[in-house]
Amino acid sequence: NAGVTQTPKFQVLKTGQSMTLQCAQDMNHEYMSWYRQDPGMGLRLIHYSVGAGITDQGEVPNGYNVSRSTTEDFPLRLLSAAPSQTSVYFCASRPGLAGYNEQFFGPGTRLTVL
Amino acid sequence: AQSVTQPDIHITVSEGASLELRCNYSYGATPYLFWYVQSPGQGLQLLLKYFSGDTLVQGIKGFEAEFKRSQSSFNLRKPSVHWSDAAEYFCAVGGYMEYGNKLVFGAGTILRVKS
Repeated sequence: NAGVTQTPKFQVLKTGQSMTLQCAQDMNHEYMSWYRQDPGMGLRLIHYSVGAGITDQGEVPNGYNVSRSTTEDFPLRLLSAAPSQTSVYFCASRPGLAGYNEQFFGPGTRLTVL
Repeated sequence: AQSVTQPDIHITVSEGASLELRCNYSYGATPYLFWYVQSPGQGLQLLLKYFSGDTLVQGIKGFEAEFKRSQSSFNLRKPSVHWSDAAEYFCAVGGYMEYGNKLVFGAGTILRVKS
């Protein structure tokens, strides 16, 4: 099992550019999510999905879109990058909706927006 | 609202010394509690979790944590720290939450180990 994989590991964008962060998991997990990690703020939920074809907004969704066409893949799109989106982005998955399920995290994407 | 507080932003301990990282949570029902570790440049790895039963839980890498309902705490401990334990540690609470039962994370504690 590869677990949760993310690409790219590092990315530099200019303000206004768009890009897609890729996320895939091979554990057949229903629940997938995207977080951003900023110093002193822990992890904040951007978007989440409870299954293929179902996505919803998290705490900080502005400026981001997601889709879930398959169980395995959950890409995150930045529509028009802004310096405030400079952060480390983590994709995570867990087997089901129950809050006691362990979340598995990818290695992260470090994004800098100039 | 649910929240997690990790009062210590940074902690420095000597190699071989004992360690305690503090975590306090706010949640209206019985919580599910987690400790994750993040090594530099890596994703988060689960150290241990509490759902119910014995309030002292054992995890990987020699870590343990104790759930104290009366204090709303879930402190992480290790009897003897190794240099490889230097990392950032996150406490999280789960349960019946908004956003599909999301996890609520603390801000993290950075552990430095001096030789």
